[in-house]
Amino acid sequence: AQSVSQHNHHVILSEAASLELGCNYSYGGTVNLFWYVQYPGQHLQLLLKYFSGDPLVKGIKGFEAEFIKSKFSFNLRKPSVQWSDTAEYFCAVNAGGGKLIFGQGTELSVKP
Amino acid sequence: DAGVTQSPTHLIKTRGQQVTLRCSPKSGHDTVSWYQQALGQGPQFIFQYYEEEERQRGNFPDRFSGHQYPNYSSELNVNALLLGDSALYLCASSFHDTEAFFGQGTRLTVV
Repeated sequence: AQSVSQHNHHVILSEAASLELGCNYSYGGTVNLFWYVQYPGQHLQLLLKYFSGDPLVKGIKGFEAEFIKSKFSFNLRKPSVQWSDTAEYFCAVNAGGGKLIFGQGTELSVKP
Repeated sequence: DAGVTQSPTHLIKTRGQQVTLRCSPKSGHDTVSWYQQALGQGPQFIFQYYEEEERQRGNFPDRFSGHQYPNYSSELNVNALLLGDSALYLCASSFHDTEAFFGQGTRLTVV
């Protein structure tokens, strides 16, 4: 069955710390992968996406993610987090025809 | 340019009742998908509409139904509401299978 697993439910960091959120997927076809962010009280917004080509993709607000096909992973990274990065982060895979399968989310709390 | 808009924002219903949620897609988008997000969980795909037809469906019972109008707006209907239907319902629109844009959601509480 198609699935997405996010390793951490809640991550707490201090400002300027580095961030890495894990994401593993299970899907047999050609993968399109996404990271979405949901700031408190706001709608889901796309951070970055991977369709093909360079496995290191850069998104908005200094985020990047690396697609490692052999590990079925698409981890999200940011070298130095800010208080404004406090949000919930969702990894998702396009399971065909635009149907997105999401992980359960990781809540990131950044302490000033 | 308005993004994806959903109405209402919040809704309280009683068990057994029926509810209709509405979604207007982003301008230029022709595909609408609906997701259910329970507290502490990621969104789960309910179904997708394209050209006024249900194109894909997730693992949800027939109590969940939908419609898409010629102007691409969409409705999600849930019949015989259960307590477990309490969740945030998200609408996402896209142009064909490209990047999905999400609305702010409708918070449904079933009491």
